[in-house]
Amino acid sequence: GAVVSQHPSRVICKSGTSVKIECRSLDFQATTMFWYRQFPKQSLMLMATSNEGSKATYEQGVEKDKFLINHASLTLSTLTVTSAHPEDSSFYICSAREVLQETQYFGPGTRLLVL
Amino acid sequence: AQSVTQLGSHVSVSEGALVLLRCNYSSSVPPYLFWYVQYPNQGLQLLLKYTSAATLVKGINGFEAEFKKSETSFHLTKPSAHMSDAAEYFCAVSDWGGSQGNLIFGKGTKLSVKP
Repeated sequence: GAVVSQHPSRVICKSGTSVKIECRSLDFQATTMFWYRQFPKQSLMLMATSNEGSKATYEQGVEKDKFLINHASLTLSTLTVTSAHPEDSSFYICSAREVLQETQYFGPGTRLLVL
Repeated sequence: AQSVTQLGSHVSVSEGALVLLRCNYSSSVPPYLFWYVQYPNQGLQLLLKYTSAATLVKGINGFEAEFKKSETSFHLTKPSAHMSDAAEYFCAVSDWGGSQGNLIFGKGTKLSVKP
């Protein structure tokens, strides 16, 4: 149980374009979803926390207008990187958590390369 | 504020040898503690978690960890390493019961297993 998927797994785009990443909980309802960013050989850095039906809470230093998060349903959250630049290239990982549960389940990650 | 320190960014053991990955935490509230494993270009998989029940926690793939409040530690062990254990391991602490139960990750320890 507790499977989280991400799509796409890998994306290459041109600088200035926008990229949407989907995160889905396949077998449970995720009241809270988290978006992380991981640079090579480094730990995960939390970008934002989203609760279904409400606005995301962004961590300090994360531009909310650049990283748009939508948590429209209990099984889907999306992260849109707007006007992507090469420095946005990274590994983006989402996680999901059921209501009143303490464990986060992670997606397989999305590798973004901006040229 | 909570924090996690993983001693040793890289640990190398021989196949069949004991695996010991160290994790110390800092938390002002009773912590929930987690160990996750990450294989190359993949998301994180939960190995085990401590949520204030038994102090010795058994996880998947033969791993276990012991919560020691007096030492503020949650070290991960496995009696006999297998080649398939080679991966990056992350310790994390949550203030579940606090704000949103966000996970704070350590910097990770890369485990290499020699034949």
